[in-house]
Amino acid sequence: QSALTQPASVSGSPGQSITISCTGTSSDVGGYKYVSWYQQHPGKAPKLMIFEVSNRPSGVSYRFSGSKSGNTASLTISGLQAEDEADYYCSSYTSSSTLVFGGGTKLTVL
Amino acid sequence: QVQLQESGPGLVKPSLTLSLTCTVSGDSISSSSYFWSWIRQPTGKGLEWIGRIYTSGSTHYDPSLKSRVTISLDTSKNQFSLKLTSVTAADTAVYYCARAPYFYGSGTPTHFDYWGQGALVTVSS
Repeated sequence: QSALTQPASVSGSPGQSITISCTGTSSDVGGYKYVSWYQQHPGKAPKLMIFEVSNRPSGVSYRFSGSKSGNTASLTISGLQAEDEADYYCSSYTSSSTLVFGGGTKLTVL
Repeated sequence: QVQLQESGPGLVKPSLTLSLTCTVSGDSISSSSYFWSWIRQPTGKGLEWIGRIYTSGSTHYDPSLKSRVTISLDTSKNQFSLKLTSVTAADTAVYYCARAPYFYGSGTPTHFDYWGQGALVTVSS
């Protein structure tokens, strides 16, 4: 199973909104509602930010939102803050009953 | 508060077996509500799901590692473990243990809500 495709990097200024894409196929992202997003700061474990495409776990800021269209899922961060600077990974359930991750996107807050 | 903590050797020689243990606190690995998983991340690279175990003892592994992986439970110690045989330098990574909600009829975790801090394992002679 190939990794999901994410942009290597995105950037934005404080207060702005950014969107990170995650592209797969009809056998993963496009075929199921099980897309998740994780935030990872350097040297730290990943933190769940979004599950089942658009659901936020308790305690995650409303500034984080998820969506999906066809084979591409997206994570949008609004009102960008310095603390949002991190790596972001998407994941999806697959038709092979496995879980595949994206290659990761480095978010820089300018 | 749920906490997971990985432990095990940080250095393994090529062709030998990598062994890690995850100790869970704040929850029971006998719970019917969760899968217990291992995920790894080579330095500077992305995440890779290794496999999971359920309270029943049933396991499910990623096909790319299936022939070399065993995940097991020790309910008396509230721990679960990972064994990866015949390791090479390509298995050098930070290994995370994690909890995933279980849904009736599901066989594969869909997301991970709690993670350990990670354990770096280097494969080198």
